[in-house]
Amino acid sequence: SQKIEQNSEALNIQEGKTATLTCNYTNYSPAYLQWYRQDPGRGPVFLLLIRENEKEKRKERLKVTFDTTLKQSLFHITASQPADSATYLCALNNFNKFYFGSGTKLNVKP
Amino acid sequence: NAGVTQTPKFRILKIGQSMTLQCTQDMNHNYMYWYRQDPGMGLKLIYYSVGAGITDKGEVPNGYNVSRSTTEDFPLRLELAAPSQTSVYFCASRHPRTSGPFQETQYFGPGTRLLVL
Repeated sequence: SQKIEQNSEALNIQEGKTATLTCNYTNYSPAYLQWYRQDPGRGPVFLLLIRENEKEKRKERLKVTFDTTLKQSLFHITASQPADSATYLCALNNFNKFYFGSGTKLNVKP
Repeated sequence: NAGVTQTPKFRILKIGQSMTLQCTQDMNHNYMYWYRQDPGMGLKLIYYSVGAGITDKGEVPNGYNVSRSTTEDFPLRLELAAPSQTSVYFCASRHPRTSGPFQETQYFGPGTRLLVL
């Protein structure tokens, strides 16, 4: 069965630094991978999608990489701000189904 | 557009009771999903639908039922509530596979928190 792993420990960084979050998967070859942000008590909000034939995707301060050989995606937030503090989830597709990791909580300290 | 709306926001059920979680979207999306999220965990897919009249099981369908009679509505039914169904339930709809920056994006509702005692 599909297994998606994200670092369950919270990531604590200082404002202005780059945050890097990891998503690893096994037994699977997704056509694309998505990253979502989730704030406490709210539903996830879509951030970025990267396809299997793309190495890197950028959107403002966000950057996602996708290595299908390593079965890994890295999610970077540059010049982090306290407002970036949230839980970040990765999701992989399997045709019409989606599988989510458990998320990594990011704490950006001023 | 209101996006994806869910009702109720919170509900307490007794073991063995039944209830329906409502989900409505006004974006004319064909694809809709139901997930559950347990504390500190990711989302688990319960059921999904690719259009009116078509539904299929996800990872954790046991104890749940769905129907999709219209494009807008995708209710989730719990027939015999059990403590293991205590969770937060999210409904989502998916942007169709068209070109553009938001293709295949999932839009989530605010969630329904369910407590089964």
